[in-house]
Amino acid sequence: EIVLTQSPATLSLSPGDSATLSCRASQNIRENLAWYQQKPGQAPRLLIYGAATRATGIPARFSGSGSGTEFTLTISSLQSEDFALYYCQQYENWPPLWASGQGTHVEIQ
Amino acid sequence: QVQLHESGPGLVQPSETLSLTCVVSGYSISDGYYWSWIRQSPEKGLQWIGSVFHTGSTYITRSLRSRLSVSVDTSKNLFSLKLTSVTAADSAMYYCARGTSTIVTPSLFDYWGRGTLVAVSS
Repeated sequence: EIVLTQSPATLSLSPGDSATLSCRASQNIRENLAWYQQKPGQAPRLLIYGAATRATGIPARFSGSGSGTEFTLTISSLQSEDFALYYCQQYENWPPLWASGQGTHVEIQ
Repeated sequence: QVQLHESGPGLVQPSETLSLTCVVSGYSISDGYYWSWIRQSPEKGLQWIGSVFHTGSTYITRSLRSRLSVSVDTSKNLFSLKLTSVTAADSAMYYCARGTSTIVTPSLFDYWGRGTLVAVSS
């Protein structure tokens, strides 16, 4: 079973900063990776799929990159609404799996 | 706009059956996609547990195959979950979601309900 590991656990940043979140897969998942954002009391929201394609309605400040085993989510110029939890999910193998643990928390410094 | 809304009991007794329903609006289940259940707990994080297609075909995660069933009612545009013999380990926030199919089925989840919190306790 593929294992996804996210880092760091927490990013403390200020509005306007750029955030770089990492997701590492235990084996090659090509570009079959998605990123989700979750705010307190809300369901996860799909941000990125295919490692780099923004989902419908997602602002251009969110960008994804990577393939194989190393992936990055970049949020340029953080807005107040971007402070949240972020999770990566693979769909190269069945079943679809999210990263274990609590994702990456982007918090206001 | 696609909207999903879960309903069900917030508290279930150990060894009993958890039943949840998800009503879909803004989209006809019969038009496709894989109608899915995902749960989230502090211990296990986000976990996809099962999906159903409008034809009734189901996809269930291996660890729950003996206890989980998922069904669809296209006439009411809803789908349902039944999880038998629940234990405290089944306590979680349960989300219903719309799933796509690409490399695997399901793959991605683009619309989610707000979730319903389930506690298993006597």
